[in-house]
Amino acid sequence: QQQVKQSPQSLIVQKGGISIINCAYENTAFDYFPWYQQFPGKGPALLIAIRPDVSEKKEGRFTISFNKSAKQFSLHIMDSQPGDSATYFCAASRLSSGTYKYIFGTGTRLKVLA
Amino acid sequence: DTGVSQNPRHKITKRGQNVTFRCDPISEHNRLYWYRQTLGQGPEFLTYFQNEAQLEKSRLLSDRFSAERPKGSFSTLEIQRTEQGDSAMYLCASSNAGMGYTFGSGTRLTVV
Repeated sequence: QQQVKQSPQSLIVQKGGISIINCAYENTAFDYFPWYQQFPGKGPALLIAIRPDVSEKKEGRFTISFNKSAKQFSLHIMDSQPGDSATYFCAASRLSSGTYKYIFGTGTRLKVLA
Repeated sequence: DTGVSQNPRHKITKRGQNVTFRCDPISEHNRLYWYRQTLGQGPEFLTYFQNEAQLEKSRLLSDRFSAERPKGSFSTLEIQRTEQGDSAMYLCASSNAGMGYTFGSGTRLTVV
C-alpha cells in the first residue's frame, strides 16, 4: 500500500516534443503529490506539486494531470528542451507526525534530443 | 540564504569505519529530513526532525545509524561500523510547512 509505481524507466524525446511520465499509487490516504527533477550529482529539486482536490495543475511548460478514481497522476513536459534532460521522480505523501514524508517512485531518465 | 548545504560531498571509507555527515538547512526552516538514495532508485526516508526533536525514524535506520540536530540548527548523521550495503547518496532536506522540501546536493558514501 506504500508503493508508488513510475513508468517508463527511461524516455527519449525529440526537442519540441511532449514528454509524459506516469505514476500510480495505492494508498488513498496520500494527499500531496510532488514531482522532482534531479540532475547528475545534484539533489532532487521540486518542480511542481498537486493536491487530490484538483485534476490538473500547470506551471509554465510543466503540467500535472491527476485522476483520483484511478489513483494515477502524470507529468507532461510541453515543448521539451535538451536542458530538460534529467531524472524525474514522482512522490506521494500524507501528513504524519506533523509533516509530509515522501514515498518516491523509481525515477524516469529523460533524454531530449537536440 | 544559500539553500541546504551538505558536507562532505563525497566520502570513501573502509568497511567497519565510522562516518559522520553534516547538513545545514535553510535557516528559517524548522523541519529537517534525511533520505537515502541508491543508484537507479528514488530517495527513501530515513528520519525527520522538527526543531531539535527527532519525531520519526524509518525501519531502514538500523541501530548503527544515529542522527542529531542540536539546538534545532544543523544536523549530523553518523553511521557506525559501515558495511558495503551502506554505500549510497545521503540526502538532507528542509522545509517549513512540511510540504515542498528543499534538498541538498547530498553526500555520496562509498564503502570499500
